[in-house]
Amino acid sequence: EAGVAQSPRYKIIEKRQSVAFWCNPISGHATLYWYQQILGQGPKLLIQFQNNGVVDDSQLPKDRFSAERLKGVDSTLKIQPAKLEDSAVYLCASSEGPLGSGNTIYFGEGSWLTVV
Amino acid sequence: AQSVTQPDIHITVSEGASLELRCNYSYGATPYLFWYVQSPGQGLQLLLKYFSGDTLVQGIKGFEAEFKRSQSSFNLRKPSVHWSDAAEYFCAVGGTSYGKLTFGQGTILTVHP
Repeated sequence: EAGVAQSPRYKIIEKRQSVAFWCNPISGHATLYWYQQILGQGPKLLIQFQNNGVVDDSQLPKDRFSAERLKGVDSTLKIQPAKLEDSAVYLCASSEGPLGSGNTIYFGEGSWLTVV
Repeated sequence: AQSVTQPDIHITVSEGASLELRCNYSYGATPYLFWYVQSPGQGLQLLLKYFSGDTLVQGIKGFEAEFKRSQSSFNLRKPSVHWSDAAEYFCAVGGTSYGKLTFGQGTILTVHP
C-alpha cells in the first residue's frame, strides 16, 4: 500500500516569497492533516480536513498560510509571504477517518522549508 | 487543553541495554495515546498506540508501552536496544470525535556501541 506522498521534499526561498506544498494521502483516507514541525519541537497541527471540508484550522496563521483540499483527495498548503520563522518541516498525514473513531494517523516524509 | 510532556530531551544508552522513555499527558477524558519514531530526514512512523483495553500494548521493533491512568503516563520501553533504534521519539495524545493529535517535544535517543 502506498504511503502519504509529499512534494517537494526540500525548498529554499527568500523571505517574502511564496511556496506551495502538495500532498497525496493514502487511497481512501478521508481525513487529511497538515502539521508544522520546527527544529527541536514536536509537530503542531495547522489544519485538518474531513473529505474536502475544514474541521480544525485554529492554529493556521491565516494571514499568510492557506490550504485547500479540492475533491477531497490531494491537498495543497501555501505560504505567502514567507517569514524566517516559517522555516520548518511541513508534514502531511492522513487517516481513514477521525482520530476519535479509533483511526491511526499515517505521516508522509515531510517537506523541508528553509526561508533565508 | 490537552498536552504532552516528555521530560527527557536526550537519552544515551549502550547497545543491548534496556530503555525507558517517559511520557506524561494531560487530557480531560480517556485519551488515545501514541508513540511515533522519527529518523533523521524522515517522517513519523507509528510504533504503537493505545485506544482502550489492555494497558500494556505491544508495538513494532520490540517496543512496548504501559498506560497508567493514575500517573497520567504512557512510558515506552524496550528490553534490549539496537544501534538502529537511534532516532527521535515522540509521544502524542488525542481524543474522541475530531480531537486533534498533540505531540510532546520529543526525546532524542543515542545508542553507543
